[in-house]
Amino acid sequence: DVKVTQSSRYLVKRTGEKVFLECVQDMDHENMFWYRQDPGLGLRLIYFSYDVKMKEKGDIPEGYSVSREKKERFSLILESASTNQTSMYLCASSLSVEGAFFGQGTRLTVV
Amino acid sequence: DQQVKQNSPSLSVQEGRISILNCDYTNSMFDYFLWYKKYPAEGPTFLISISSIKDKNEDGRFTVFLNKSAKHLSLHIVPSQPGDSAVYFCAASVNTGFQKLVFGTGTRLLVSP
Repeated sequence: DVKVTQSSRYLVKRTGEKVFLECVQDMDHENMFWYRQDPGLGLRLIYFSYDVKMKEKGDIPEGYSVSREKKERFSLILESASTNQTSMYLCASSLSVEGAFFGQGTRLTVV
Repeated sequence: DQQVKQNSPSLSVQEGRISILNCDYTNSMFDYFLWYKKYPAEGPTFLISISSIKDKNEDGRFTVFLNKSAKHLSLHIVPSQPGDSAVYFCAASVNTGFQKLVFGTGTRLLVSP
C-alpha cells in the first residue's frame, strides 16, 4: 500500500513565524502535491512537483514556497505565517492518472 | 472561478436506500474524473474514477455516471450504509502527465440507521 506521511497532525504557530510542513511518500511517485482544505472551499492546490527540484504553482501559491530535494520528500514552507493560513494542509503523491494518495493531513493554527 | 462544483453541501439518506451525489464541471478539457471520500481528521481516500471515454463505471456498491454533454457526473451508492457517512469530493483532471486534480467543494453524506 502507498503510504504518504505528514510530519505533524496538529501544529500551532505564531504570526510571522517560518513554518515547515514535511511530507514523505514511500512509493517512488513522480508527482507530489500540497493542498489546503477549508470549509466551503474544498481542496485547493498550493504547489505541485513532477520531479526532483521541479515545482509548479497551483491555484493559491501566495505566501507559500516548496522544496523537493529528494524524490520521496516534498516540503511546504510558510515564509511568514499569517492567521489566514490557518487551515488543514494535505500532501498527496501520484504516479498515474488513477489518482493521488493523500497523507493524513496537518491541522495548522496560526495565532 | 470554480471549475468543479458540488452544489449540495449535504445529503441525508436512510440506511439501505440509494445515495446520489452530484458534480458539475465547466472545463471541457477535463478527461478524467474521480471521487474521493474523507472522514474527519483523515486525508481523502480514492473511491472510484471514470475516463471521459466511458459513461459509466461500477465498483461494488459504487457507480459513477458521466454525462459529457451536460458536463455532469454523479456517484451512486447502493445500498447506503452508516459507514458511508463522510464528505465526498468530486475531482477532475486534464491528462497532461502531471495528474493535477481540481476538486469540488464537497458534499457531506449522512446515512442514518
